[in-house]
Amino acid sequence: EVQLLESGGGLVQPGGSLRLSCAASGFTFSSYAMSWVRQAPGKGLEWVSAISGSGGSTYYADSVKGRFTISRDNSKNTLYLQMNSLRAEDTAVYYCAKAWIVGADLDAFDIWGQGTMVTVSS
Amino acid sequence: QSALTQPASVSGSPGQSITISCTGTSSDVGGYNYVSWYQQHPGKAPKLMIYEVSNRPSGVSNRFSGSKSGNTASLTISGLQAEDEADYYCSSYTSSSLFVFGTGTKVTVL
Repeated sequence: EVQLLESGGGLVQPGGSLRLSCAASGFTFSSYAMSWVRQAPGKGLEWVSAISGSGGSTYYADSVKGRFTISRDNSKNTLYLQMNSLRAEDTAVYYCAKAWIVGADLDAFDIWGQGTMVTVSS
Repeated sequence: QSALTQPASVSGSPGQSITISCTGTSSDVGGYNYVSWYQQHPGKAPKLMIYEVSNRPSGVSNRFSGSKSGNTASLTISGLQAEDEADYYCSSYTSSSLFVFGTGTKVTVL
């Protein structure tokens, strides 16, 4: 079964850091681009960042560029999101999502994790 | 990197058809055939319903269909059912090698 499982969320103070992880199973992880998408409480979806299957290409939304870093370890089938200089407006459920087809970094996402909650508050 | 524009809500009676619009610009929706649609039930992760404007993933009902004209994409749900009540989001690739979601539409089955 194709599955994504996020972890690492929690409560952090403004200006703090947090690293999210997304463990993948059931597919050839290294072949597919992956993305992080977030959803603030009661709000819509916001794309955050994406990374190609090899890890050689990365993409960021303007709202997180320079503060967040996406990476992956294909030997561990795991995707990461390092979040620094966190702000209250980063509070959201963070989902990891798999590209629907090999070679399409920013197309559609066919598999999503259950999400992990990040709360930025003092 | 502004969100694509969707109506806040759309409603219909069981069996009816409804259409949700998604308006962007020539730099996103109008410029590429990388428009997709997602269904999200409360407390759940989004589910891919349409990819590349009009293609349905395996397992998605053929009651869901997508199209595009100029800078506006549309999702049509025919034969509306109670289980279709959910939030729907469009998305698109953009010319800045970025990705953007729509503002979201709440579908209510009357």
